[in-house]
Amino acid sequence: GIQVEQSPPDLILQEGANSTLRCNFSDSVNNLQWFHQNPWGQLINLFYIPSGTKQNGRLSATTVATERYSLLYISSSQTTDSGVYFCAVFETSGSRLTFGEGTQLTVNP
Amino acid sequence: NAGVMQNPRHLVRRRGQEARLRCSPMKGHSHVYWYRQLPEEGLKFMVYLQKENIIDESGMPKERFSAEFPKEGPSILRIQQVVRGDSAAYFCASSPFATANTEAFFGQGTRLTVV
Repeated sequence: GIQVEQSPPDLILQEGANSTLRCNFSDSVNNLQWFHQNPWGQLINLFYIPSGTKQNGRLSATTVATERYSLLYISSSQTTDSGVYFCAVFETSGSRLTFGEGTQLTVNP
Repeated sequence: NAGVMQNPRHLVRRRGQEARLRCSPMKGHSHVYWYRQLPEEGLKFMVYLQKENIIDESGMPKERFSAEFPKEGPSILRIQQVVRGDSAAYFCASSPFATANTEAFFGQGTRLTVV
């Protein structure tokens, strides 16, 4: 099956800093989503981004499907951004989303 | 439009008991996916169902676990004779059609603790 690798595994920032999270995948995909799992465990949809670039407030994402990676940008980070960020992909020959292991983000005040 | 609803949010079972987890998909969604998240780990696929059909159960343990999505009512994930290793968060996702071409939305999860 498809392999999904996220980096870095852990990231600690001061409030106001910017960051870039990366998601690499090993095969062609039809679908890619970014999620934020908050400290209460809830999974929040951030982006549905099979290709191209999208922006939502302080967050933006870019997927380059031909090169098999996606990037999540967080600008002017806030303490409420803390949690785990997951990338999930749907491989062309598959039947469901496969998740990476996540990036644990901690934003300190 | 209500999101994906899972209940109960928290479930405590003694070893050997049965656990039943429920998932009501978003309105208009007929595809349901179950995932398991062990502590400090990512989400692992378990099973993919459409109404009255199991499409892919390649992630389900061969014993004690079963899932259904009846014509009426929620999808059910059933774990028989639970063991401590079943303690985890179980998430359900739904989509209007196969997630190859659409966005999937997740419920808040059921946190199962086996004592």
